[in-house]
Amino acid sequence: EDQVTQSPEALRLQEGESSSLNCSYTVSGLRGLFWYRQDPGKGPEFLFTLYSAGEEKEKERLKATLTKKESFLHITAPKPEDSATYLCAVQATTGNQFYFGTGTSLTVIP
Amino acid sequence: DTGVSQDPRHKITKRGQNVTFRCDPISEHNRLYWYRQTLGQGPEFLTYFQNEAQLEKSRLLSDRFSAERPKGSFSTLEIQRTEQGDSAMYLCASSLQYYEQYFGPGTRLTVT
Repeated sequence: EDQVTQSPEALRLQEGESSSLNCSYTVSGLRGLFWYRQDPGKGPEFLFTLYSAGEEKEKERLKATLTKKESFLHITAPKPEDSATYLCAVQATTGNQFYFGTGTSLTVIP
Repeated sequence: DTGVSQDPRHKITKRGQNVTFRCDPISEHNRLYWYRQTLGQGPEFLTYFQNEAQLEKSRLLSDRFSAERPKGSFSTLEIQRTEQGDSAMYLCASSLQYYEQYFGPGTRLTVT
């Protein structure tokens, strides 16, 4: 069964303290892995798509990487405005659904 | 703004009433998805349309839920005889084929 597990559930960082969020996945065949940011009470905001192992994408302080079993979202020198829940989703080649993890709630303290 | 829009943003209803939500996707997107999200959880797939055809429904989707996408444009999600367990955020997303989904702001449903 296709499955996505994110860790940690919650992460508190000091401003400027870099860290990584993990997304482990089990899927019959990966069509794509997606990262989203979600602020409280809002819909998820698209960040990155990764299609194959070894691929990397960057945007400002965020960098997403992909292996055959997991993806990492690296946050470099975070700022308080990076505080949000970060969601990972996978889409299998055998279907059309996106399977979401439960997210990592990130808090960046000034 | 050409993003995904949803209406209403908030809905409070009494148990047993019917409710209907609307989603307007990004105009050039042919795929439209409905999700439900509860606190502390990721979005849970409900159903998916390609153009006007409803191609997939979650096995967890109760018969009280129905969705339509007439003419392949906007979509509606109706919940009949609402229950307290239906209280959640209902999210709509659209995409172009298999590419990334773009989400609307959601409709927050509270069943009292």
